[in-house]
Amino acid sequence: SQQGEEDPQALSIQEGENATMNCSYKTSINNLQWYRQNSGRGLVHLILIRSNEREKHSGRLRVTLDTSKKSSSLLITASRAADTASYFCATGLAIYNQGGKLIFGQGTELSVKP
Amino acid sequence: DTEVTQTPKHLVMGMTNKKSLKCEQHMGHRAMYWYKQKAKKPPELMFVYSYEKLSINESVPSRFSPECPNSSLLNLHLHALQPEDSALYLCASSQGPGGLGGYTFGSGTRLTVV
Repeated sequence: SQQGEEDPQALSIQEGENATMNCSYKTSINNLQWYRQNSGRGLVHLILIRSNEREKHSGRLRVTLDTSKKSSSLLITASRAADTASYFCATGLAIYNQGGKLIFGQGTELSVKP
Repeated sequence: DTEVTQTPKHLVMGMTNKKSLKCEQHMGHRAMYWYKQKAKKPPELMFVYSYEKLSINESVPSRFSPECPNSSLLNLHLHALQPEDSALYLCASSQGPGGLGGYTFGSGTRLTVV
């Protein structure tokens, strides 16, 4: 299975602090993506980093990717109470003649206290 | 329109019922997906449709039957389900083959089998 591990499983911080979540995966990938999910509803795509990229920024989000270690991290800076959610990494792999798959890690539950 | 719309939002069905979940997108995306998510777990891939053809079936039991009538619609037909099939069913779409770009998720159908 391509599903990876996320670390930590749960993270509780104060508003204004930074939150760092880590993700490891097992096989080769085309890209790695991060998603947010509020209260067990739909997932929202946050950021995608390609396998030949090492770092990417989007607003308060910073993602790194180390393909030699098969790991990624998501940093949320200056966190807000509204950032409280579950965060999932997902590995994207295109499969010849079949389309492709997006496989999710176990997720990190982030709680940001006001 | 940048949304994936899923209906119904909630569904309660008996083990002998037949029901269908519906998913619709008008973003011109050519790949569509069904995921199943149990509480406190990551989404699990069920089916991938690429250019309206079923390209990946992740060994899903035959009581789940997907259908892609056209490039905008994706259905999941349910028959003779078990209580353990109770979960959040998520539909997603992506512009190209799966795994190469970000996915847009619907808000899901919460299914309860009694």
